[in-house]
Amino acid sequence: AQTVTQSQPEMSVQEAETVTLSCTYDTSESDYYLFWYKQPPSRQMILVIRQEAYKQQNATENRFSVNFQKAAKSFSLKISDSQLGDAAMYFCAYRGGSQGNLIFGKGTKLSVKP
Amino acid sequence: DAGVIQSPRHEVTEMGQEVTLRCKPISGHNSLFWYRQTMMRGLELLIYFNNNVPIDDSGMPEDRFSAKMPNASFSTLKIQPSEPRDSAVYFCASSRGLGQPQHFGDGTRLSIL
Repeated sequence: AQTVTQSQPEMSVQEAETVTLSCTYDTSESDYYLFWYKQPPSRQMILVIRQEAYKQQNATENRFSVNFQKAAKSFSLKISDSQLGDAAMYFCAYRGGSQGNLIFGKGTKLSVKP
Repeated sequence: DAGVIQSPRHEVTEMGQEVTLRCKPISGHNSLFWYRQTMMRGLELLIYFNNNVPIDDSGMPEDRFSAKMPNASFSTLKIQPSEPRDSAVYFCASSRGLGQPQHFGDGTRLSIL
């Protein structure tokens, strides 16, 4: 069975600085997708970024980028120029190529200090 | 564009009562997912549908839980009878296809007393 592990329950970053959130996963599939979702206190689940496993290039969305290391089964999220609005729970998620459902990590709570 | 719409946003009821959660997916999306979020277990899939047909219900905790999708624009998750351990936030999500990104509703916070 696939698993997703986020080893950092909490992280903190100074406003305008950069922070990296870690995620590792375990799978025997070769075709899959990885996602980062943001959940602010309003409890919405907001898709931040996604990565297709067959793509070698790391995905980027504005201040958000990933470091996808397929051999190491690692998928970290880098937030540059952190803003107060980035404070939230961040969930890493996996979806197998033949499946529809997402498998989530336990989440990392990110605090941004002014 | 309207996102995934869930109702109610909050529900408080006594144990033993029937609870019905509702979800309207984004128009044009043909895959629908029900997730449950608790502090202890995090986010877990309960069931998902593709083209209104249940594909995987292995996450449904027990027979007290049932889900239906009578048409492409509506789904329900029912708990009967409810128990305190069912207290959680229940999310509905939809996607244009099984392989497409999922868009979540705002969730229903369910409290069973």
